[in-house]
Amino acid sequence: QKEVEQNSGPLSVPEGAIASLNCTYSDRVSQSFFWYRQYSGKSPELIMSIYSNGDKEDGRFTAQLNKASQYVSLLIRDSQPSDSATYLCAPQGSSASKIIFGSGTRLSIRP
Amino acid sequence: NAGVTQTPKFQVLKTGQSMTLQCAQDMNHNSMYWYRQDPGMGLRLIYYSASEGTTDKGEVPNGYNVSRLNKREFSLRLESAAPSQTSVYFCASFLGRAEAFFGQGTRLTVV
Repeated sequence: QKEVEQNSGPLSVPEGAIASLNCTYSDRVSQSFFWYRQYSGKSPELIMSIYSNGDKEDGRFTAQLNKASQYVSLLIRDSQPSDSATYLCAPQGSSASKIIFGSGTRLSIRP
Repeated sequence: NAGVTQTPKFQVLKTGQSMTLQCAQDMNHNSMYWYRQDPGMGLRLIYYSASEGTTDKGEVPNGYNVSRLNKREFSLRLESAAPSQTSVYFCASFLGRAEAFFGQGTRLTVV
């Protein structure tokens, strides 16, 4: 089992709709969870972090965490073409500083 | 990308040659990381350094060595390059659980 699993996509969502991205992880002691966005040919950039069970909202983005199910998700409301990118999930593992990434989900917003 | 500088940006090596990728950050972060990213893939952790003077193996350390020269600098060395090491290499630094920055990447081709 991979430490971090994401559907590779591509996930195609119409403009204005909600995009839902999912991530599962195997390390039960993970405490911190990060979502990164990476445009083609660019470096990843941090867009959301979440540490507690439940929802965390930041503008059009909502991160959801369920530690019991070892599941974290990212919702993007009112999807825009500029949201088309690869989204990477990264739980912080048992070693406080070890950060492993999922393989990423490619999101495409169609006009 | 603000704060993390990688050199070089591009490099072509012949099989068996050696080289060192340099990374420096000016944000006083404790933790620094080296990742590789192959086409269409996520980031795979090569090595990381939780603090000055410490280094640890990540997911794919074979064929690489690292040095945490001081708090600012974390270098990655390929002693005998192989075509399988053709990839984009990213250096990143983290402060605690919230702040994360990536360098602009080094595109390495081994022929």
